[in-house]
Amino acid sequence: GENVEQHPSTLSVQEGDSAVIKCTYSDSASNYFPWYKQELGKRPQLIIDIRSNVGEKKDQRIAVTLNKTAKHFSLHITETQPEDSAVYFCAAILTSGTYKYIFGTGTRLKVLA
Amino acid sequence: EPEVTQTPSHQVTQMGQEVILRCVPISNHLYFYWYRQILGQKVEFLVSFYNNEISEKSEIFDDQFSVERPDGSNFTLKIRSTKLEDSAMYFCASSEFQETQYFGPGTRLLVL
Repeated sequence: GENVEQHPSTLSVQEGDSAVIKCTYSDSASNYFPWYKQELGKRPQLIIDIRSNVGEKKDQRIAVTLNKTAKHFSLHITETQPEDSAVYFCAAILTSGTYKYIFGTGTRLKVLA
Repeated sequence: EPEVTQTPSHQVTQMGQEVILRCVPISNHLYFYWYRQILGQKVEFLVSFYNNEISEKSEIFDDQFSVERPDGSNFTLKIRSTKLEDSAMYFCASSEFQETQYFGPGTRLLVL
């Protein structure tokens, strides 16, 4: 069945450094890839997304890259700040045939001041 | 900015009891979803709902579960005869199209 693997499970970086989180998906027909940030006890919040017809997307300090051939996509956070500390989930969806997100297992990012 | 809302925020119930979790999706959205997240684990899809019927459901979503849109604004998840392993955070989500889903704040269910 569909699967999304996410690495690393935990990541600690110094404030100001960059953080990279990687996901690999199994269904080559997946065509939409959102990233969610979840702070403790709160709802997952969409922070960026990318569609399969695009290789890279950037929004201020956050960027996502997609390699369709390798079936993996990555979240890049530059100039990290303590408020970036949270759990980040990637997801994949095949928008033409299904409605469900397949989520990765999450990455707990800790930005050290 | 409109948001998905959920009630209650916390629910404690005895094993074997029935619970109803409520959600108000974003008003112009057409697709509705329930997900659950067991503590410390990833978010798992339960069911999606479109045009007043279930579109897709996971193998978790067995006869113990049901969903309903009783009026033009609410979307509910009913869990019959709750079990200890049903303890989790339950998230409702909605989307305008089959893409970006917006999540509610969740209901933390504890089954004793």
